[in-house]
Amino acid sequence: NAGVTQTPKFRVLKTGQSMTLLCAQDMNHEYMYWYRQDPGMGLRLIHYSVGEGTTAKGEVPDGYNVSRLKKQNFLLGLESAAPSQTSVYFCASSYAQPGTGGDQPQHFGDGTRLSIL
Amino acid sequence: TQLLEQSPQFLSIQEGENLTVYCNSSSVFSSLQWYRQEPGEGPVLLVTVVTGGEVKKLKRLTFQFGDARKDSSLHITAAQPGDTGLYLCGRGSTLGRLYFGRGTQLTVWP
Repeated sequence: NAGVTQTPKFRVLKTGQSMTLLCAQDMNHEYMYWYRQDPGMGLRLIHYSVGEGTTAKGEVPDGYNVSRLKKQNFLLGLESAAPSQTSVYFCASSYAQPGTGGDQPQHFGDGTRLSIL
Repeated sequence: TQLLEQSPQFLSIQEGENLTVYCNSSSVFSSLQWYRQEPGEGPVLLVTVVTGGEVKKLKRLTFQFGDARKDSSLHITAAQPGDTGLYLCGRGSTLGRLYFGRGTQLTVWP
């Protein structure tokens, strides 16, 4: 019953360092998403994927890259970390496309807390 | 662009009180999802409303979708400390993504 697993759970980086956040889901979901959550801002979509090998930009994609080489994994990369990227990052997955009525729920991981010094 | 407006942003009440939080949009949406997020965890889906005027109940929580499908509300009866959390509404789009409001942070004191 793992659902959506995010690694690592916590990380502190220095400005300019790079890192990759890993998201894995075991529910055979087609859609996967990366969000960031900042105080008072709700959840903002960074990038998402509608299937293996596909990616698309969300609301706040600058400074991030993603890859979906395998259906179950969705990686979020920070090439050169900046203090503005200090946030809590959430990965989510779902069966079907939201907005089509009778939407499938998004299943979230427990987040990665990232601090950039 | 903030497609969904949630209010209030913060709500602090005593155990046993009733409360309502709102989710509004200037445009019609096909469906709306409500999530609750507890500290240190990811959001968890509470309910999806699809039909205008629809009312769904989940124990002490009542969810309503406006007739015009531009607004939704969540009413909690006799709030308990376990209801404490961030309540988020989210609407879908034809682009395969979900837009979230900024959330209502609810604190219920014993």
